Formats: sequence, C-alpha cells, structure tokens
Amino acid sequence: DTGVSQDPRHKITKRGQNVTFRCDPISEHNRLYWYRQTLGQGPEFLTYFQNEAQLEKSRLLSDRFSAERPKGSFSTLEIQRTEQGDSAMYLCASSPLREATTGELFFGEGSRLTVL
Amino acid sequence: GNSVTQMEGPVTLSEEAFLTINCTYTATGYPSLFWYVQYPGEGLQLLLKATKADDKGSNKGFEATYRKETTSFHLEKGSVQVSDSAVYFCALYSGNTGKLIFGQGTTLQVKP
Repeated sequence: DTGVSQDPRHKITKRGQNVTFRCDPISEHNRLYWYRQTLGQGPEFLTYFQNEAQLEKSRLLSDRFSAERPKGSFSTLEIQRTEQGDSAMYLCASSPLREATTGELFFGEGSRLTVL
Repeated sequence: GNSVTQMEGPVTLSEEAFLTINCTYTATGYPSLFWYVQYPGEGLQLLLKATKADDKGSNKGFEATYRKETTSFHLEKGSVQVSDSAVYFCALYSGNTGKLIFGQGTTLQVKP
C-alpha cells in the first residue's frame, strides 16, 4: 500500500529543542497539506503546497514553524524552539490536483509530538 | 468566517441502533460537505461527501443530505455495528484551496 506516510510517528522532546517531521505523499499527488490536531478537537489547517510552491499558510503557523516541499515530492515541517503548547498530532494529507476542488484528501496516520 | 459545529460526544449506542450525528455549518458561497472517519489507530479517511444542495452522500450504510436551507449535513445510519466505533468529523470545503475546515469530532461507541 503506497498511502501517505509520516515519520516519526511519535516524538518526545524537551522545551526549546527543534523537531522535524517528514511526510511522503501518495505518488503523483500534486497537493500536500499539513494539519494540527489536539486532543478532542478537529484538525486545524496549517499550510499546503501545490507541487513545490507553498500556496497558503494559516495564521496558526507562527514564525517558529516552517514547511518545505523541495522538488514537489516529500515535505518537512520543522518546529523551532518548541513550546509545550506545540504538543499535538501533526497530520499530513495529499490529493491529486483533479480532486483538489472537491476536498477529498488522503491522510497519513500522523506524527505525535510531546513537548516536556 | 467558515465554520463547522458538531454535536458533542461521546455517543454510546447498542448494536443495531439508529445513529444520528448532527452537523451544521456556516459558510459563504456554496461549500462542499464531507464526513471523515478516524478508526482507532488509523488515519482520517473520507466516509462520504456531497457537493451541492440536496445531494445525498452515502457509503457503508451511512448517509448524509446537504440541506442548504438549514445549513446542515447530519450523518445517519439505520443500524450501527461495533465496527463503526470511531471518531466522526464533519468538514466543509470552500473555494479552490482544498482547505478543509473540520468540526471538533464526535466519538461513537457501539456496544454489543
């Protein structure tokens, strides 16, 4: 199965450290999205890419957060100087461009971040 | 702005009971509406969708009808199974950004 894969699945870090998550989308999916989900809440949009271009960033994405998608394939989400409030599940999703107008996204299983 | 509101959970039902999970939305224009489901230990997956008013989405025995007049998209199933236990998310998509806006999720527990 070549679904969306995320790595690592779990990350425990100390406050102030930097962390990086990786997402490998479904092959040939043009669009890639990052969401954040906290306990008891629905996923919140962070940012998305169309190929290598980052087209939109949420106001939730402070300057400590940066995302890249070099070459339009995998993506990384880096959080610098982590804070306890960053503890959450970080979800990646992808979609082919033809589905982009219908909102059908394919999600990975997420990367859980715990900041101590 | 655009938003989605779901009924609070958890919803606990016995097997074969009738299920309704309420969802209402606020949006400008004509959004598409979705139900996503998250089974324990798995990623979010699309359950069903409706792209215009009065459309009915259906899948795996679940149904939801896009009601523009009441801005609602309630999820229903006539007879739930233990395997339906999961968290259900209502979502809307507006515009061409592919940005889904989710409700807070409703946990369904089905007991044998």
